[in-house]
Amino acid sequence: ETGVTQTPRHLVMGMTNKKSLKCEQHLGHNAMYWYKQSAKKPLELMFVYNFKEQTENNSVPSRFSPECPNSSHLFLHLHTLQPEDSALYLCASSQATGTQYFGPGTRLTVL
Amino acid sequence: EDQVTQSPEALRLQEGESSSLNCSYTVSGLRGLFWYRQDPGKGPEFLFTLYSAGEEKEKERLKATLTKKESFLHITAPKPEDSATYLCAVQNNAGNMLTFGGGTRLMVKP
Repeated sequence: ETGVTQTPRHLVMGMTNKKSLKCEQHLGHNAMYWYKQSAKKPLELMFVYNFKEQTENNSVPSRFSPECPNSSHLFLHLHTLQPEDSALYLCASSQATGTQYFGPGTRLTVL
Repeated sequence: EDQVTQSPEALRLQEGESSSLNCSYTVSGLRGLFWYRQDPGKGPEFLFTLYSAGEEKEKERLKATLTKKESFLHITAPKPEDSATYLCAVQNNAGNMLTFGGGTRLMVKP
């Protein structure tokens, strides 16, 4: 449970707000990920960072902006979101292409 | 394009009633197949990684098996605390992306 932490755990925001999600991993991994989990849909990969460099952007709208200042921290900056962006946002980390370990998620509601 | 299909979508069992969950997949060169458990409102918890056909792994009441086309998660004598959504994912040789199935929601009644 404490290997990957995410804050906040819950977030309610209006469509004109700007907010950020934070993820921190304490496992010494070198890859970090953002996933989106919507009701009735499989987990969707959004972004991948390897050694702080973004290596995957899975056709995510520009209103989602990731930032990876170092191998332990990952942010997801949110602005002008839509109600359909309401979902559980999950962060994960791995050592290279190894097993991914997930954080508890941030439940986002866009009004 | 990699694809993962899990069945059934939901499964209700009585405590002690053993059963299996299915994960069918197509992948361009399998690096690994992963099983996770997810409780409501929480992140997925890692259970197993399988790398090649014929491989089996066990943990308490759970046993995962792998063939070239599918994986099974066998649950022996389940308890109510095994109730959760079980997720299957595949990783191909190209990188570290995971493709997830839709999950199986397991409910075990006392």
